[in-house]
Amino acid sequence: QKEVEQNSGPLSVPEGAIASLNCTYSDRGSQSFFWYRQYSGKSPELIMFIYSNGDKEDGRFTAQLNKASQYVSLLIRDSQPSDSATYLCAVPRIDSGGGADGLTFGKGTHLIIQP
Amino acid sequence: NAGVTQTPKFRILKIGQSMTLQCTQDMNHNYMYWYRQDPGMGLKLIYYSVGAGITDKGEVPNGYNVSRSTTEDFPLRLELAAPSQTSVYFCASSYGLNTEAFFGQGTRLTVV
Repeated sequence: QKEVEQNSGPLSVPEGAIASLNCTYSDRGSQSFFWYRQYSGKSPELIMFIYSNGDKEDGRFTAQLNKASQYVSLLIRDSQPSDSATYLCAVPRIDSGGGADGLTFGKGTHLIIQP
Repeated sequence: NAGVTQTPKFRILKIGQSMTLQCTQDMNHNYMYWYRQDPGMGLKLIYYSVGAGITDKGEVPNGYNVSRSTTEDFPLRLELAAPSQTSVYFCASSYGLNTEAFFGQGTRLTVV
């Protein structure tokens, strides 16, 4: 069973600080990693993806990947109240034949940015 | 720019009733998926399709059926609704295996 683990939180961060969200995964063969943001009552929307070890930056967001440790994280700099949401880590499900069958999602981390 | 469109947005079913959740995408994506999301839980894959005429079971397929007669449409059928099927259902599509999945607005289903 391929697993994606996240701390469910809530994670409370003061406005303007750095929010750090973490995710571990069990399948060493995983090649790509996605971070989705989900506001309450809304559908998930992609905010970052990363394929290679190291850091990938996009505006206030930085994704960090360490395949050796099977660990991917999301940093949000200068956190804003509008960043308050649930953040879902996702990894593609690959069957034994190398075919696609969707994404495996973690349960999500609920982030609260305190004004 | 519609993307992935789901209908209905809300529905209340009685135990034993059946219904079809509609999903259509206008991005010409081969891959389409149905997920359910229960409170405090991640999304669980119900069924998926890698192209027209091809569907397969995901993690939690029991009590559901799907069809994929066209690239655009991927309806989800609930037969004999049960309270355990109370959930939020999301349809999604993607261009390829390791690419972004785009989600519909979701359908909030309550079975009473």
